[in-house]
Amino acid sequence: SQTIHQWPATLVQPVGSPLSLECTVEGTSNPNLYWYRQAAGRGLQLLFYSVGIGQISSEVPQNLSASRPQDRQFILSSKKLLLSDSGFYLCAWSGASGGAYNEQFFGPGTRLTVL
Amino acid sequence: DAKTTQPTSMDCAEGRAANLPCNHSTISGNEYVYWYRQIHSQGPQYIIHGLKNNETNEMASLIITEDRKSSTLILPHATLRDTAVYYCIVRVGSVGTSGSRLTFGEGTQLTVNP
Repeated sequence: SQTIHQWPATLVQPVGSPLSLECTVEGTSNPNLYWYRQAAGRGLQLLFYSVGIGQISSEVPQNLSASRPQDRQFILSSKKLLLSDSGFYLCAWSGASGGAYNEQFFGPGTRLTVL
Repeated sequence: DAKTTQPTSMDCAEGRAANLPCNHSTISGNEYVYWYRQIHSQGPQYIIHGLKNNETNEMASLIITEDRKSSTLILPHATLRDTAVYYCIVRVGSVGTSGSRLTFGEGTQLTVNP
């Protein structure tokens, strides 16, 4: 069966510090991968998605970047955190088979607080 | 992707059916209706999706109007564990180069009361 892991679960970082959040998927190959952010009391905002190694699409301009160094690894980074980067970060994966829609499976999330 | 409109919040008694409406009046012919839910502090969970026919699975039923401009998610016997934010999302069904990316709105906070 497929599983998705995210770490750390919670993180408190000072403004201006760097960030690295990691997401890994097990039990599937060539998944589509996604990073979402959810501000307190708000809906999810898609930040990045990837359909393959080294292929990253950014949805909104921001202080963050993403990388996919391996097939089942997705990393969210920042060189200098802003207060507005605080939120609940969710990684998700979906299958890439054929042309049909595949449901997304979400990880447990990382709660980031920037002080 | 078409925009959706959902009520901000709804209440339901435990054991009764919960009917969550969604308006998507600008939906186009190749767009599907998807429902996800998010229990507090967890990642969203897929529930169901459909194009124009009504759909049912072990979690819920999806009723889509004939003109496809609105739909209703039905949880037939709501339990306390169904308390969550429910998101109605409309997007094209094919994956293409954008993967299965979704645009989440604010959703409906469903509270199931004992």
